[in-house]
Amino acid sequence: SQQGEEDPQALSIQEGENATMNCSYKTSINNLQWYRQNSGRGLVHLILIRSNEREKHSGRLRVTLDTSKKSSSLLITASRAADTASYFCATVRETSGSRLTFGEGTQLTVNP
Amino acid sequence: DTAVSQTPKYLVTQMGNDKSIKCEQNLGHDTMYWYKQDSKKFLKIMFSYNNKELIINETVPNRFSPKSPDKAHLNLHINSLELGDSAVYFCASSPPIFKNIQYFGAGTRLSVL
Repeated sequence: SQQGEEDPQALSIQEGENATMNCSYKTSINNLQWYRQNSGRGLVHLILIRSNEREKHSGRLRVTLDTSKKSSSLLITASRAADTASYFCATVRETSGSRLTFGEGTQLTVNP
Repeated sequence: DTAVSQTPKYLVTQMGNDKSIKCEQNLGHDTMYWYKQDSKKFLKIMFSYNNKELIINETVPNRFSPKSPDKAHLNLHINSLELGDSAVYFCASSPPIFKNIQYFGAGTRLSVL
């Protein structure tokens, strides 16, 4: 069954603003990942946060994880037009080995 | 230079036909995957192979048959194509150590008419 749900489904902001996307999941996880998908392209891994971590940074990306609420957020600071893409969270359950279960995705549009 | 490459990029065919999609990775990864992305962009795993051995086989019609001739290749053959098979199919691979991080191909857009 589908593991993750993301909100908002779509987000439109101006260049320079911050974008926040949220992901909720249902079962215990080993880790949670965020991927980006540009239109017509494959997914690209952005960042991974383990279940015993609460926050992680990578460049302009900040990911938080709250395992008690089974939720994560992805913050993109100082957004650029090139950040326009779909963003997906994906979870790895404790018992699922390498299997990724994807959320529905958030379509981010950054207007120049 | 492409790490995970799929062919063809686009595939338009008639209902009832049989078609194949090929995937190759030059990253030296042991594990490869096939995903289906529907029109709402929902991405669902179909199959996974580790060193040519099938390790994940989701509830997929048996018209879909993966084949892994070696660990760098994972092909997907689809028999008797149906309208509902229209989707974008992605191949991915993951390394032995960081199995959870997957590298995706650019996708194959299949349209069944």
